Amino acid sequence: DSGVTQTPKHLITATGQRVTLRCSPRSGDLSVYWYQQSLDQGLQFLIQYYNGEERAKGNILERFSAQQFPDLHSELNLSSLELGDSALYFCASSQTGGNTEAFFGQGTRLTVV
Amino acid sequence: DAKTTQPPSMDCAEGRAANLPCNHSTISGNEYVYWYRQIHSQGPQYIIHGLKNNETNEMASLIITEDRKSSTLILPHATLRDTAVYYCIVRVGGGSNYKLTFGKGTLLTVNP
Repeated sequence: DSGVTQTPKHLITATGQRVTLRCSPRSGDLSVYWYQQSLDQGLQFLIQYYNGEERAKGNILERFSAQQFPDLHSELNLSSLELGDSALYFCASSQTGGNTEAFFGQGTRLTVV
Repeated sequence: DAKTTQPPSMDCAEGRAANLPCNHSTISGNEYVYWYRQIHSQGPQYIIHGLKNNETNEMASLIITEDRKSSTLILPHATLRDTAVYYCIVRVGGGSNYKLTFGKGTLLTVNP
């Protein structure tokens, strides 16, 4: 158990819909990262938050947004869903940076039908 | 972050040491080498990291060459549960930007 909690574990929704994925980081970790993993793309970095502020952005679509709340949990919002958004979405957390490691949650498997 | 090159797949017999190579010839002086693994569709798991010196923990050993252009992850006694994709990642240490860029990694298959 990495200490990072992601909910829900599975999500099935229709095209055009909007969903919210939730991540609770390890106790004491200030940074949260979101990754997308689809079969043909590997692990793609989406976005990073540090203590409530956006710090790095990867290949995140405009239909996707995220935020980190004062209690440090994070939510990833996916809207106008398309079939191609079906993937595993992972959240990771780490301490303040430096040479510290990141710990990943078990992911949310999103299926868009 | 520097680019890494890993073989796409490797096999290892159960109980033997697994040695996974990684080339990072463009690594900079302030970049660390990290290893993660992903067991089928689970969240990636941190294994070990290092800057210059060899490192060892309860999971593995990391050997970094003197010129830092390559490294080897060693699993001393591989078990069937070590079958996974292993990722070698190079990133700059320091600050609060901790983006990890994953490549395709090496699929290690441990055979009975």
